[in-house]
Amino acid sequence: DGGITQSPKYLFRKEGQNVTLSCEQNLNHDAMYWYRQDPGQGLRLIYYSQIVNDFQKGDIAEGYSVSREKKESFPLTVTSAQKNPTAFYLCASTRRSYNSPLHFGNGTRLTVT
Amino acid sequence: KQEVTQIPAALSVPEGENLVLNCSFTDSAIYNLQWFRQDPGKGLTSLLLIQSSQREQTSGRLNASLDKSSGRSTLYIAASQPGDSATYLCAVRYSLSYNTDKLIFGTGTRLQVFP
Repeated sequence: DGGITQSPKYLFRKEGQNVTLSCEQNLNHDAMYWYRQDPGQGLRLIYYSQIVNDFQKGDIAEGYSVSREKKESFPLTVTSAQKNPTAFYLCASTRRSYNSPLHFGNGTRLTVT
Repeated sequence: KQEVTQIPAALSVPEGENLVLNCSFTDSAIYNLQWFRQDPGKGLTSLLLIQSSQREQTSGRLNASLDKSSGRSTLYIAASQPGDSATYLCAVRYSLSYNTDKLIFGTGTRLQVFP
């Protein structure tokens, strides 16, 4: 079955540590996205990539970094510079067509203490 | 500023009722609007996508309508079931420039259907 796999499902880190969240898709989608979801707020875009080796900052990119070395993979690193990293992180992908639906993974819940 | 609003924030109904969820957006120059379902602790599942040239889309017991001129979309759920309990989110896709677009999400309506 095609889909998006995010791992791990839960992640715990100490403050000051960098952590990398994995996102892999086998849908052959060109575009991939990282969103952050906090209670009572809509999804906020962190980074997106429309093609391999290229990515763009979203609305809340500070304290995060990404890479897109392969079409299938779009890992997100939460750095120690991110002031409030505890959140639910969602990865999504879509074909490069404005009328293609967005598909999501099951998310990673990151807790930093 | 482009905004997407969903009212009510929460809704509780008895099983069997037909119900309507609302999504409002401030800018009518949209590409499409997508409705999602999110179960607790899970990702979003795409339910329906309505292109800007369409007025409605249907899938099973779900029907989504789009009125760009008034900046509104509704998701109609017929004969609701306890399994429909989830948070429903709408997202509007806008064009920013050539080859660049933006998806803006509403904050969702949390639906509970009780037996």
